[in-house]
Amino acid sequence: AQSVAQPEDQVNVAEGNPLTVKCTYSVSGNPYLFWYVQYPNRGLQFLLKYITGDNLVKGSYGFEAEFNKSQTSFHLKKPSALVSDSALYFCAVRDGQWDNDMRFGAGTRLTVKP
Amino acid sequence: DTAVSQTPKYLVTQMGNDKSIKCEQNLGHDTMYWYKQDSKKFLKIMFSYNNKELIINETVPNRFSPKSPDKAHLNLHINSLELGDSAVYFCASSQERFSYNSPLHFGNGTRLTVT
Repeated sequence: AQSVAQPEDQVNVAEGNPLTVKCTYSVSGNPYLFWYVQYPNRGLQFLLKYITGDNLVKGSYGFEAEFNKSQTSFHLKKPSALVSDSALYFCAVRDGQWDNDMRFGAGTRLTVKP
Repeated sequence: DTAVSQTPKYLVTQMGNDKSIKCEQNLGHDTMYWYKQDSKKFLKIMFSYNNKELIINETVPNRFSPKSPDKAHLNLHINSLELGDSAVYFCASSQERFSYNSPLHFGNGTRLTVT
């Protein structure tokens, strides 16, 4: 079965600095990887996905993520953080081999300080 | 127009009661889901429905029953509510269950509080 881990509960960065939110995964087949963002009292919003091809994936709001097969990682990045990026971020995975649905990490709370 | 809508947004009830949460999607998606988010923000899948067929039941107590009158609706009925049922419940949909690259579209959640 697939699983995903987000090793950091909390990430704090200063506005204008680059940010990274970490994610590692475990699957039996090919990984289908996703990032979502959750703002207070809202549902999760899709940011970006990796299916195949280029290891660097670009998504909404200037976010990007780098797929690294050897390290089984899919870290979310942004070159310059905004205060409005402060939210809860979830990494998710689907296993291309098994008939399983999307599994989510525990979430990482990103706080961007002015 | 809201793509995935849930009602009610807040639900406060007493132990032992029966309640329902409604969900509708206007995206034309084939599959709908229910997720539970606990107080630590951990998301756990409860059910998914594809073409009116239950696909997953992830160790969820049988007090929880999904009901799908049509492809656009997936309601969640909960019998004999317990304190531990307090959580935020999210409805979601995706284009196809077996299209692994389809992201989920979430509703804004229903915060259930059992007293």
